[in-house]
Amino acid sequence: TQLLEQSPQFLSIQEGENLTVYCNSSSVFSSLQWYRQEPGEGPVLLVTVVTGGEVKKLKRLTFQFGDARKDSSLHITAAQPGDTGLYLCAGRGTNRDDKIIFGKGTRLHILP
Amino acid sequence: GAGVSQSPSNKVTEKGKDVELRCDPISGHTALYWYRQRLGQGLEFLIYFQGNSAPDKSGLPSDRFSAERTGESVSTLTIQRTQQEDSAVYLCASSPLAGVETQYFGPGTRLLVL
Repeated sequence: TQLLEQSPQFLSIQEGENLTVYCNSSSVFSSLQWYRQEPGEGPVLLVTVVTGGEVKKLKRLTFQFGDARKDSSLHITAAQPGDTGLYLCAGRGTNRDDKIIFGKGTRLHILP
Repeated sequence: GAGVSQSPSNKVTEKGKDVELRCDPISGHTALYWYRQRLGQGLEFLIYFQGNSAPDKSGLPSDRFSAERTGESVSTLTIQRTQQEDSAVYLCASSPLAGVETQYFGPGTRLLVL
């Protein structure tokens, strides 16, 4: 059974600080995605990574896919209160019939 | 509308009653997913529709749960004889093609079973 473990579960930091959250698995994924979910809304896709070692940047957010395509990280530079939310990683395995599975998320709170 | 819509946005029901949740996907999207999200948790896969293929029902937690989809449009998720443990947000997502990773989520239906 494929599982995605996200850490930490909760993170509360001051505005302006940097942070990294992680998404780990023992399984290989053909692609991995990061979503952000705000209260009362559905998740919104931030990025998809598909190549081992790939790094993508989205303004202050940097996403990395591990070389072995088993893990990913999200680094936020100079966090802002608007970054507050639930960050979910999701991945699809390498078999044709594999479904996309989600981790339980990291709940991030940026204090002004 | 441009996005995925779900109705109702909130539903309060009594234990033992049946509920029906509706999802209108983005026009033209062939894939449709239902997820359950309990308070403070991640997304739990329920069911997946792709075009005319048989749906993947492997995530449905019990036979009280069922879902239908009319062609490539509206889907309904039905929960019979609701239990308090069914209380959660039910999220629907659609995707333009099978195997395409991007899922577009609706705002969810918040179900509370008293």
